[in-house]
Parts: sequence; C-alpha cells; structure tokens
Amino acid sequence: DAGVIQSPRHEVTEMGQEVTLRCKPISGHNSLFWYRQTMMRGLELLIYFNNNVPIDDSGMPEDRFSAKMPNASFSTLKIQPSEPRDSAVYFCASSYGGRLNALENIQYFGAGTRLSVL
Amino acid sequence: GENVEQHPSTLSVQEGDSAVIKCTYSDSASNYFPWYKQELGKGPQLIIDIRSNVGEKKDQRIAVTLNKTAKHFSLHITETQPEDSAVYFCAATDSNYQLIWGAGTKLIIKP
Repeated sequence: DAGVIQSPRHEVTEMGQEVTLRCKPISGHNSLFWYRQTMMRGLELLIYFNNNVPIDDSGMPEDRFSAKMPNASFSTLKIQPSEPRDSAVYFCASSYGGRLNALENIQYFGAGTRLSVL
Repeated sequence: GENVEQHPSTLSVQEGDSAVIKCTYSDSASNYFPWYKQELGKGPQLIIDIRSNVGEKKDQRIAVTLNKTAKHFSLHITETQPEDSAVYFCAATDSNYQLIWGAGTKLIIKP
C-alpha cells in the first residue's frame, strides 16, 4: 500500500488567500484525522471522521477552518482566509476500527503539508 | 481533562547505551498508551503501544512499562543506534476516548 498521501507537500501563500490541503487515506481504513504541528503547541488534533462523518471537530481553531470527507478515499482541509499564525505542518492520518474508540487504533500518518502564510 | 507530561524534552545518549523517556498522565481511567516516532520530514509512526491491563510490553530493542498506580509509563530503547535519532511522542486516551499527546522528546544518538 502507498500509505496516506497528502498534497501538496509544501504550500506558500499570502495572508488572506484560501488554502486547500488534500489527503488520501489508506484503502480500507474508516477513520481519518487532521492534525496541526507547531513548535509552540506540539501536535494538535483538529478534527476526525469515522465512515466519512465528522465525529469531533472541537480542535478546529475557528470558523476559518473547515474539513470535508466526501467519500472514503478523499478528504480536504480548507483555511479561508489564511493568516500567518496558521503556518504549521498539517498531517493527515488514517486508521481502521470502531467509531467510539477510533483514537485507540493505530494511526498511519502521511508525510504532512508544510504551510507558510506570509 | 487528561494531561500528559513528557520528559525530558531532549535526550542525548552515546550509541550503544540505553535511552529512557517518561510520561505521566492524570486521568485514572486512561487505558491506551501509544508511543510514536517522528523522523525528520516525516509523519509520526507507531512503534509500540500498551493497554492498561498489561504492565510491560517488549518488541526487540524497544519496551514500554506502565505503572497505573503512579500514573506513568516509560519507553525504553536498548543498544541505541544512529537510526533511533528522532522525536518520540507518548500519548494517552482519556475516559472520553480522546487521545492526548505529550510534547515530544528529541532523542540524539551520539556516535
């Protein structure tokens, strides 16, 4: 298997622009997670889906952030409008297991998207 | 809510020596404790995990110990090698099945 695929690997944009990050989970996995990693705040869970349904979005920082999972093989994380403080590495991860304890299953991470907002 | 503290933030050991990273948690209902390794430019990767009904688990040079009474768990790496250099994260699930991550430990293996 190719693993979790994220695109783009790097994104540089200007403040106020819309940014869309993409993720293809491992085939057969039914949970998908979006994380943000910064030096200051470490690894933060933004949102996760189980069977394409958002289960917990309490980590989404504000309304500028939105995530969708239209089908089992694709998810997007969108930031509109972007701000310099959104600069971070964004990871997507997927796993297989139940809805209630989705976070107790092994998560397979993608290589991440490094976002720089100028 | 659950709080996971990880120490040290940086650990430097001589190649061939052992490395120990410790984490403490606050929620006595926590029952799943994974350890992830993150190499430079890559996403975290699970290296070992343990559940609350087990006190110790080993996988070759890696072991994890869990002390439920004291609410702490540790990662032990023996016979360290250059490829062990990475950032290691511990995590713990709380009573709401949320996974709370530690801040990470940068492990440096000196040749």
